[in-house]
Amino acid sequence: AQTVTQSQPEMSVQEAETVTLSCTYDTSESDYYLFWYKQPPSRQMILVIRQEAYKQQNATENRFSVNFQKAAKSFSLKISDSQLGDAAMYFCAYTSNRDDKIIFGKGTRLHILP
Amino acid sequence: DGGITQSPKYLFRKEGQNVTLSCEQNLNHDAMYWYRQDPGQGLRLIYYSQIVNDFQKGDIAEGYSVSREKKESFPLTVTSAQKNPTAFYLCASRGRPSGNTIYFGEGSWLTVV
Repeated sequence: AQTVTQSQPEMSVQEAETVTLSCTYDTSESDYYLFWYKQPPSRQMILVIRQEAYKQQNATENRFSVNFQKAAKSFSLKISDSQLGDAAMYFCAYTSNRDDKIIFGKGTRLHILP
Repeated sequence: DGGITQSPKYLFRKEGQNVTLSCEQNLNHDAMYWYRQDPGQGLRLIYYSQIVNDFQKGDIAEGYSVSREKKESFPLTVTSAQKNPTAFYLCASRGRPSGNTIYFGEGSWLTVV
């Protein structure tokens, strides 16, 4: 069965610094998708970044980038120039074309220190 | 604008009552999902549906029921058999028209009074 593990329940970073959130997953599939979602106190789930497994290039969205290591099954999220608005719960998620199930990690709560 | 609409945003349930949460999407997605989130916790899958008239149990289906009579709609009923229903409920959908990106509704808060 597929699993997603986020090993850091909480993290803190100084404003304007860089922080990396880790995510590892386990799957036997070759065609899948990985996502990072941000959940602020409003509870709205906001897509931060997505990665297709067949693409070797790491996805980037402004200050957010991933380090996708397919062989190691690792999908970490790097946030550069951290801002107060980045404070939230971050979830790593996996889904594949084969069975449509979405697997979420338990989340990492990110605190931004002014 | 395409998206997912959940209603109501806040709902109160008396002991022994069934309540239904609505989830509608206009993204032409085949797959739809219901998740439960308790305070400070992650998302737990209740039910999901890959196609009309078909759905599968997730990890915590007991005390819940769903239907998928239309592609756009996936309502969740919280039955009186669910002993601790107070939680935040999220509906999601996913499909090829959106490159398999997962879309979420804004969520529904259910409180037992």
